[in-house]
Order: sequence, then C-alpha cells, then structure tokens
Amino acid sequence: AQTVTQSQPEMSVQEAETVTLSCTYDTSESDYYLFWYKQPPSRQMILVIRQEAYKQQNATENRFSVNFQKAAKSFSLKISDSQLGDAAMYFCAYYGNAGNMLTFGGGTRLMVKP
Amino acid sequence: DVKVTQSSRYLVKRTGEKVFLECVQDMDHENMFWYRQDPGLGLRLIYFSYDVKMKEKGDIPEGYSVSREKKERFSLILESASTNQTSMYLCASSFGGTVNSGANVLTFGAGSRLTVL
Repeated sequence: AQTVTQSQPEMSVQEAETVTLSCTYDTSESDYYLFWYKQPPSRQMILVIRQEAYKQQNATENRFSVNFQKAAKSFSLKISDSQLGDAAMYFCAYYGNAGNMLTFGGGTRLMVKP
Repeated sequence: DVKVTQSSRYLVKRTGEKVFLECVQDMDHENMFWYRQDPGLGLRLIYFSYDVKMKEKGDIPEGYSVSREKKERFSLILESASTNQTSMYLCASSFGGTVNSGANVLTFGAGSRLTVL
C-alpha cells in the first residue's frame, strides 16, 4: 500500500517570506498523481496544486510551486511571498491506479506571522 | 459554484446512539468518499462509492456503514456510536474514470465534527 509522510507537523513563516513544506511517499507504481491540498481554519479542503508523475516539469500555480523528485519520491511545496491567508493545514496526497483513491499524509500546520 | 454539502457542521451524540451523516453534491459526480480526519493522522478513507448502490471499503471501515441510494447523496452511518469515533468527518466527490481523468481531483465538503460522549 502507498504511504505518504509529512515530517513537519508545524511550520512558521514571516509574511512575504518563502516557506517549503516537505512530503515523501512510497509507491511501486510508475503512473500516479501527487497533490497538495489546503485546509484553512474554516475547514473546507481545497486543491492547491497537482503534479502528474510522468511530467518532469514541476507544477506551478501563482505563488505555489512544487519540487518533484521522482527517483527520491519527494514532493515538496514552496510558497513564495507568504500571505496571512496562507495560514492553514496543508496535506500532501497521492493518487495511483492500484487503489483508485487518494492517500493523505498527516498534514503540516503552517502559521504566517505578520 | 459547485458544492459538496454536509448536513451538520457539529453533532454531539451519546455512546450507543445511531448516527447519520449526510452528504450531497450537485456536480453529477460518480465518485463519493467519506474520510475521517484526526490530528497527526491526516485523512483516512472510511468508505467510497463509484456508483449508485455501490460501495467499497476504505482503510478504516470498522464501525461504519454507508448508503448511496441516489447519485448525489452519500450517507455515513454509525450503527452504535463509540467515544473513539469522535472526530471530524469529511465528505468528498469526484468524476469517475481512470487515474488520467478527473477522477483524481476531489471536491470536499466543509466537514462534520462529531463528538460522542
């Protein structure tokens, strides 16, 4: 079974600075997707960014970008120019053909200091 | 605006009570999911459904059951609630298909926080 590990339970960043959240995963599949989801204090989970494993180019969405290292099974999220609204729980997730379902990491709570 | 709506944001129940958590989506999604969220454990899949009247067990189905009588509605049932089922429950939905389709992008509801006393 696939596992997803987020080794940082909490992170803190100063407003306007850059922060990187770590995620590693374990799989034997070659075709899969990786995600970062954000859960603000209002609790509704929203998709931040998605990476397709067969694409070498790292996905980018405005201030959010990933560093996808397929061989190392690493998928970190970089948030540039952090804003107060970025404060949330961030979950890394894996989706492959075998299970046909999302597997989530334990989450990282990001705090943004003004 | 597409939505996944969970009927109750907060519930307090007593041990042994039967609990229903309702979820409705308006996106004509084939897939629906129930997750349980606990601190440090992330989200764990309880049950999911690919189609009406169809269900599959997730990682932690014990103590739960589900019902999907209509495409838009997916219910989670706790037959006899226990204190260890105190948690946040998240419903989600997605389109059907393979990993290379929209099946892997989930839309979540706001969550239902259940406390069992």
